[in-house]
Amino acid sequence: DAGVIQSPRHEVTEMGQEVTLRCKPISGHDYLFWYRQTMMRGLELLIYFNNNVPIDDSGMPEDRFSAKMPNASFSTLKIQPSEPRDSAVYFCASRTGARTGELFFGEGSRLTVL
Amino acid sequence: AQSVTQLDSQVPVFEEAPVELRCNYSSSVSVYLFWYVQYPNQGLQLLLKYLSGSTLVESINGFEAEFNKSQTSFHLRKPSVHISDTAEYFCAVSAINSGNTPLVFGKGTRLSVIA
Repeated sequence: DAGVIQSPRHEVTEMGQEVTLRCKPISGHDYLFWYRQTMMRGLELLIYFNNNVPIDDSGMPEDRFSAKMPNASFSTLKIQPSEPRDSAVYFCASRTGARTGELFFGEGSRLTVL
Repeated sequence: AQSVTQLDSQVPVFEEAPVELRCNYSSSVSVYLFWYVQYPNQGLQLLLKYLSGSTLVESINGFEAEFNKSQTSFHLRKPSVHISDTAEYFCAVSAINSGNTPLVFGKGTRLSVIA
């Protein structure tokens, strides 16, 4: 299996621009998570889906952030408009329905907003 | 709700020396416990986990962690570290009877192994 695939790996954009991050979870995994990692705040859960349905988006920082999962093999995290404080590494992770199951992470998308 | 405290943000250690990375958790219910490792420019990956049974769990690369319920701790140890162990280590907790709520991660401990 190819693992969790994220794109782009690096994104540099200017303040005010729209940013779209993409994720392909491992086939057969029922859960998909979006995390943000920064030096100051560590690893933060933004939102997670179960069977393509958003379950908890309380970690999404503000309305500028949105996430979708139109099917079992694809999810997007969108920031519009982007701001410099959004600069971080964004991780997508997936797992099966078993709560003791391992969480598999992608390699992350490093976002820099100038 | 659960929470995880990793007391040390950075731990420098010389090669072949022992290391302990500390993790304490808070929960009103029984929990599963995990250690994840993040190598530079990579995502997190599972290192080891405690679900039930023996309180001492081991990884394939020589790390071990011991679940101590009375002290609500799950410290990670290795008797002799290698340069390749340089990474960030995250402790995580999941409540056993909470449905499918996500893992709660600590803020991480950066282990730097010095030659």
